[in-house]
Amino acid sequence: AQSVTQLGSHVSVSEGALVLLRCNYSSSVPPYLFWYVQYPNQGLQLLLKYTSAATLVKGINGFEAEFKKSETSFHLTKPSAHMSDAAEYFCAVIARDDKIIFGKGTRLHILP
Amino acid sequence: DAGVIQSPRHEVTEMGQEVTLRCKPISGHNSLFWYRQTMMRGLELLIYFNNNVPIDDSGMPEDRFSAKMPNASFSTLKIQPSEPRDSAVYFCASSPGTALVSNQPQHFGDGTRLSIL
Repeated sequence: AQSVTQLGSHVSVSEGALVLLRCNYSSSVPPYLFWYVQYPNQGLQLLLKYTSAATLVKGINGFEAEFKKSETSFHLTKPSAHMSDAAEYFCAVIARDDKIIFGKGTRLHILP
Repeated sequence: DAGVIQSPRHEVTEMGQEVTLRCKPISGHNSLFWYRQTMMRGLELLIYFNNNVPIDDSGMPEDRFSAKMPNASFSTLKIQPSEPRDSAVYFCASSPGTALVSNQPQHFGDGTRLSIL
């Protein structure tokens, strides 16, 4: 069985500071991993995905994530936070022969 | 390009009433998914279709819930009778992949915010 855990339901960072949103997964087989962003009153939008190619994945809006098999992690980062990054972020995992599983989400707050 | 279109955006109704949520997937996408999002339970997959055929409805909470996909461009999620605990945001998503296990991302609609009084 697979699962995904997002540490911290709320994260606050100052504008211009590093953004780090944590995601750990559990999967018995090599997974596909995704980060989605959800703005208020909207559906989820894909930020980036890992599909067993390069371990460092670059996404939209300056976000990137690194797949670390040894740590079973896929943390999302952005060097410098912008006010427009305030949203909820979801990590998701798909393992072969299994369903997509979403994390509970992390709400990112940007402090001026 | 038009994305996934859901209607209505908001629905408020009294318990016991029938509720029908509608979804138009992205043209050419082969898979369609229905999700429910609540604060308590997060995002839950209710049912998904491949090529208009329901593949897995194990996430549907009760027999009061049903979903159909009569053609490639339209799907409905129906709740009858509705209950206050059904209040949530319901999302429809589509994907170009033909299987749930795919590296193709899902494209989400803006959701229907359902309130059952």
